[in-house]
Amino acid sequence: GDSVTQTEGPVTVSESESLIINCTYSATSIAYPNLFWYVRYPGEGLQLLLKVITAGQKGSSRGFEATYNKETTSFHLQKASVQESDSAVYYCALGDRSTNTGKLTFGDGTVLTVKP
Amino acid sequence: DPKIIQKPKYLVAVTGSEKILICEQYLGHNAMYWYRQSAKKPLEFMFSYSYQKLMDNQTASSRFQPQSSKKNHLDLQITALKPDDSATYFCASSQFRTDANTEVFFGKGTRLTVV
Repeated sequence: GDSVTQTEGPVTVSESESLIINCTYSATSIAYPNLFWYVRYPGEGLQLLLKVITAGQKGSSRGFEATYNKETTSFHLQKASVQESDSAVYYCALGDRSTNTGKLTFGDGTVLTVKP
Repeated sequence: DPKIIQKPKYLVAVTGSEKILICEQYLGHNAMYWYRQSAKKPLEFMFSYSYQKLMDNQTASSRFQPQSSKKNHLDLQITALKPDDSATYFCASSQFRTDANTEVFFGKGTRLTVV
């Protein structure tokens, strides 16, 4: 089946340090994967951080970026300089462009704590 | 203002009982979904509804029954509750289109504990 594997947390970094959260996927039943990063801030619901639907392209939002690499089946999330407000749980997710439904396959989530 | 309202936020139920989780969305979307996140497990897709019709069901147990009384409502009825049903249940919605990808929006979840 389809699956997503991401960096096992918790991850703790200091403010202004760089960050990478790894995400790899297996899309055995999906011909045209869409890739997403969702984030859940404390006390909030899950919200979309960025998405990429075409292999080789990069998505970016709020200083975060991720490149859809079809060869390595990866979609790592990076930020050059994190802030304390980035503390949250980050989820990598896989969708199906051919059906365009809201059915997403999620990774386990990575808890990020940014120390001041 | 929250655009997807889930009620209640927390719920404690006795084994064998029945509960209904409420979800309303005010985004004007035509598709709604339920996801579940159990302890130590990723978010799992359960159901999708579009125009109040079931589109996809990934839940093996018939104890879980979505109910859609209005286009912007998708409640989840769970019968004969078991401790293993303890999880946070997330409602979500999107504007389903065949020609483009649209964002899936999530509610804040209902945390269900079965004792």
